[in-house]
Amino acid sequence: DGGITQSPKYLFRKEGQNVTLSCEQNLNHDAMYWYRQDPGQGLRLIYYSQIVNDFQKGDIAEGYSVSREKKESFPLTVTSAQKNPTAFYLCASSIQLGGAYNEQFFGPGTRLTVL
Amino acid sequence: AQSVTQLGSHVSVSEGALVLLRCNYSSSVPPYLFWYVQYPNQGLQLLLKYTSAATLVKGINGFEAEFKKSETSFHLTKPSAHMSDAAEYFCAVTRNTDKLIFGTGTRLQVFP
Repeated sequence: DGGITQSPKYLFRKEGQNVTLSCEQNLNHDAMYWYRQDPGQGLRLIYYSQIVNDFQKGDIAEGYSVSREKKESFPLTVTSAQKNPTAFYLCASSIQLGGAYNEQFFGPGTRLTVL
Repeated sequence: AQSVTQLGSHVSVSEGALVLLRCNYSSSVPPYLFWYVQYPNQGLQLLLKYTSAATLVKGINGFEAEFKKSETSFHLTKPSAHMSDAAEYFCAVTRNTDKLIFGTGTRLQVFP
């Protein structure tokens, strides 16, 4: 089955630690995205990538980093510089950025909690 | 700049009643519009999308939405609510070369 997988489902981090969230897709999509979701705030875009080896900052990129070395993979690192990282993180992909092909497919999410 | 506004962060209906979730958009060019549903602790799932073909769009689970350019609206409806419809619903807008912009969501509660 084609889709997006995220791991782990739950992640606990101590303050000062960096953690990496995994996102893999087998849909052959060019574009991939990372969102952060907090209660009552909808989805906020962290980073996105239109093609391999290229990515752009979204609305709330500070304290996060990404890489796009393979088309299928778009890992997100939450660094110690992110002051309030506890949230639900969603990865998504689409055929391309923008337009009718911007229908995004979402993974099941990773819930990160800082202890 | 484009944006989307969802009126009402919470909507409650009785089982069997009409569901109406409101979405208004702002875009200087013809937009593409989407409705997504999210069940607790899950990712988002596409309900339906408008891509400038028919203005009345039918989606999954009996939902539909009508694009009204004169009102800049794309409200989501379902004639008869079911308990399983309880979830959070997000409206989103994009243009040809832009990122998808999401509304803040509407939580739907269905009472027996």
